[in-house]
Amino acid sequence: EVQLVESGGGLVKPGGSLRLSCAASGFTFSSYSMNWVRQAPGKGLEWVSSISSSSSYIYYADSVKGRFTISRDNAKNSLYLQMNSLRAEDTAVYYCARDLLDDSSGYSLYYFDYWGQGTLVTVSS
Amino acid sequence: DIQMTQSPSSVSASVGDRVTITCRASQGISSWLAWYQQKPGKAPKLLIYAASSLQSGVPSRFSGSGSGTDFTLTISSLQPEDFATYYCQQANSFPLFTFGPGTKVDIK
Repeated sequence: EVQLVESGGGLVKPGGSLRLSCAASGFTFSSYSMNWVRQAPGKGLEWVSSISSSSSYIYYADSVKGRFTISRDNAKNSLYLQMNSLRAEDTAVYYCARDLLDDSSGYSLYYFDYWGQGTLVTVSS
Repeated sequence: DIQMTQSPSSVSASVGDRVTITCRASQGISSWLAWYQQKPGKAPKLLIYAASSLQSGVPSRFSGSGSGTDFTLTISSLQPEDFATYYCQQANSFPLFTFGPGTKVDIK
């Protein structure tokens, strides 16, 4: 069974830092691109960042570029998001999500087929 | 950036009703579109990808159609467990994925 479990959320002051983790199990983690998607309270979904299976390709939304860093450790089946210079508008539930792979080619289809339960990040003084 | 809009923003329906939700992209995205279902306090669930492909394990009452800029999600016979918020997501402008604002389906 595919499982993604986020941790590391909490209350942090503006300008502070936080590191989120996502522990993966039930699939070959090193074969999949992974993503972070966030949802502000009562709002819609916002893609944050993506990382390819071997960490060769990394992408960020403009809203977090230069402040957030995505990384992964395939030996530990783990995904991370280092968040620096946090702002009130970063307050959200942060989900890690797996890329859907095409069965025949093995290529990413850029849709998110499994999601974790989310971890809440609150940025407030 | 590609902007996504959805209509209606909410719909009230009864069990057994046919429900259709529309998603529109600000520019053509071919068939690079997915639909997700989200229940309160839960993570989104992938329903449809590539505009019309049903994700494994998703009931066949869900279907998707469209290409270019206009897309629809149809629930052929609404079930009690289908009351939720539905989001579309475009994947054409990889890696700048964007989601629609959501459509809430609630009980009439």
